[in-house]
Amino acid sequence: AQRVTQPEKLLSVFKGAPVELKCNYSYSGSPELFWYVQYSRQRLQLLLRHISRESIKGFTADLNKGETSFHLKKPFAQEEDSAMYYCALSGATGFQKLVFGTGTRLLVSP
Amino acid sequence: ETGVTQSPTHLIKTRGQQVTLRCSSQSGHNTVSWYQQALGQGPQFIFQYYREEENGRGNFPPRFSGLQFPNYSSELNVNALELDDSALYLCASREGGSSDEQFFGPGTRLTVL
Repeated sequence: AQRVTQPEKLLSVFKGAPVELKCNYSYSGSPELFWYVQYSRQRLQLLLRHISRESIKGFTADLNKGETSFHLKKPFAQEEDSAMYYCALSGATGFQKLVFGTGTRLLVSP
Repeated sequence: ETGVTQSPTHLIKTRGQQVTLRCSSQSGHNTVSWYQQALGQGPQFIFQYYREEENGRGNFPPRFSGLQFPNYSSELNVNALELDDSALYLCASREGGSSDEQFFGPGTRLTVL
């Protein structure tokens, strides 16, 4: 079964602190992993995907196939990072059905 | 170039009624997917349309149906509404390749009383 688990509903940190949002997945095969972000009153948007290996807004995520994890990290959180973050996977070739986790709300306080 | 738009923004229906939600894809996109997002949950895949044909479906009953039109706009129809159908319904479009990014609309908030 395809499943994405985000164990934390809420993560609260101070500005400048490191951030790690956890994501574990279950999938038999080679999935593609994504992080989506939803800022207040904005639509869901792609933050990053593991195949591009990019750092977006200072965030990075490494796919660990052994631990089936795709944790999102940022060394120094900013107040503007406060948002809802969703981890998602896609598994089928030629078909991008996304399976989402339940999301983690990140609150960065000044 | 305009983004994905959805209408209406929100609506209220009663149990047993039928509802139609609409989505206008981003320019140049021929694939549209619909998701249901219940309160406190992540979006759940309902189905996907590619060039007017359904080519993938999630774990939703047949009373959830859809259409895609030649201009690639789309509709989600839900019959015999149930209380649990209350959710935010998201539409996402992309160009059609499996690796193409999906762009989400703002959603339609459906409340079933």
